[in-house]
Amino acid sequence: EAQVTQNPRYLITVTGKKLTVTCSQNMNHEYMSWYRQDPGLGLRQIYYSMNVEVTDKGDVPEGYKVSRKEKRNFPLILESPSPNQTSLYFCASSLGGNTDTQYFGPGTRLTVL
Amino acid sequence: GENVEQHPSTLSVQEGDSAVIKCTYSDSASNYFPWYKQELGKRPQLIIDIRSNVGEKKDQRIAVTLNKTAKHFSLHITETQPEDSAVYFCAAGGDSWGKLQFGAGTQVVVTP
Repeated sequence: EAQVTQNPRYLITVTGKKLTVTCSQNMNHEYMSWYRQDPGLGLRQIYYSMNVEVTDKGDVPEGYKVSRKEKRNFPLILESPSPNQTSLYFCASSLGGNTDTQYFGPGTRLTVL
Repeated sequence: GENVEQHPSTLSVQEGDSAVIKCTYSDSASNYFPWYKQELGKRPQLIIDIRSNVGEKKDQRIAVTLNKTAKHFSLHITETQPEDSAVYFCAAGGDSWGKLQFGAGTQVVVTP
């Protein structure tokens, strides 16, 4: 089954404790991205990747890192999480970049205390 | 960079009536305008999209119109049904930097 998976789905952590949210897709998509969703602000792009080893900042990259060592995986790293990073995070992938259908993962609900 | 504004933020309609959501964008280089539907607790899913070489596109009860000159596009849902209740997001993409910019979303509530 073609899909985008994220882990964990729910995470409660404390300020400053490094964490990684994994994202994996099995559709051989070149384009992958991370979004955060907050009430009233919609979906804001954090980082995106056009291909392996090619990543770029979205609109809200501060406090986040990403890597794209393999085509299928695009982990989101929070080196020192802060409470303002409490949010719902979605990973997405597409075949044709930002001009094609985005397939979203199920979301990760992160709470930073 | 691109800025997408979406209105209204909430929309209540009676079942059977039409719903219209409007978005404006700022970057004339944008050429791809998708609409996503997000049901409660679910992930966003594409419902329709339009490219800048087309003025209107329909798929059953939903349609999207694009006015490139005015830099705005709209989603039209006709004969609304309770299952149309969801949050709808517009987006704009296609510039050379690879970003995809979403609007803030519209909560649509269809009352029987």
